Amino acid sequence: DAKTTQPTSMDCAEGRAANLPCNHSTISGNEYVYWYRQIHSQGPQYIIHGLKNNETNEMASLIITEDRKSSTLILPHATLRDTAVYYCIVRSPNTGNQFYFGTGTSLTVIP
Amino acid sequence: SQTIHQWPATLVQPVGSPLSLECTVEGTSNPNLYWYRQAAGRGLQLLFYSVGIGQISSEVPQNLSASRPQDRQFILSSKKLLLSDSGFYLCACTTGANYEQYFGPGTRLTVT
Repeated sequence: DAKTTQPTSMDCAEGRAANLPCNHSTISGNEYVYWYRQIHSQGPQYIIHGLKNNETNEMASLIITEDRKSSTLILPHATLRDTAVYYCIVRSPNTGNQFYFGTGTSLTVIP
Repeated sequence: SQTIHQWPATLVQPVGSPLSLECTVEGTSNPNLYWYRQAAGRGLQLLFYSVGIGQISSEVPQNLSASRPQDRQFILSSKKLLLSDSGFYLCACTTGANYEQYFGPGTRLTVT
């Protein structure tokens, strides 16, 4: 079962920052937070992951709270192509490294 | 970098017929492999994962089965399809220290 909670949907104006929250209050000390997105009818695409520190790559930034019970994915300048379902996932380090996807947040970028 | 191939891309099968979906991985060795299913408008459901040849773990009891005959080949099967087996089937792999998952293009199965 997924161990994260995300809003069902969000809108964001094109060119603005999109901030997608995720609650993972039961996260264990050795579990990573991963973010993926899925554009309609395609396989999910890896975005970013982190353990304790904030992370940034060419796609997004990941902000993890100090107590690690929540995180925020930031798309700094949202474009129409960023419209997708965004999944926040906590990775279990035991037994095959399963990934449990919840229902995610459906982000719509509005022109 | 690794590439995941899945086929067929789409499939329409009658209820009660058998199923075989194949996934192969290029560009890596000893990957962990996964099968997911996504029903229309729903999230991804983990069905099976494998950490090595012949090693299969099932997440959800159902009429599906999986096999891993080779290191980079993962097969999803059924002897008799149900209407509820319709969905988008995705194969994924993890490799490397960070274990991010990479997904194939998927197979859209419609059981009629």
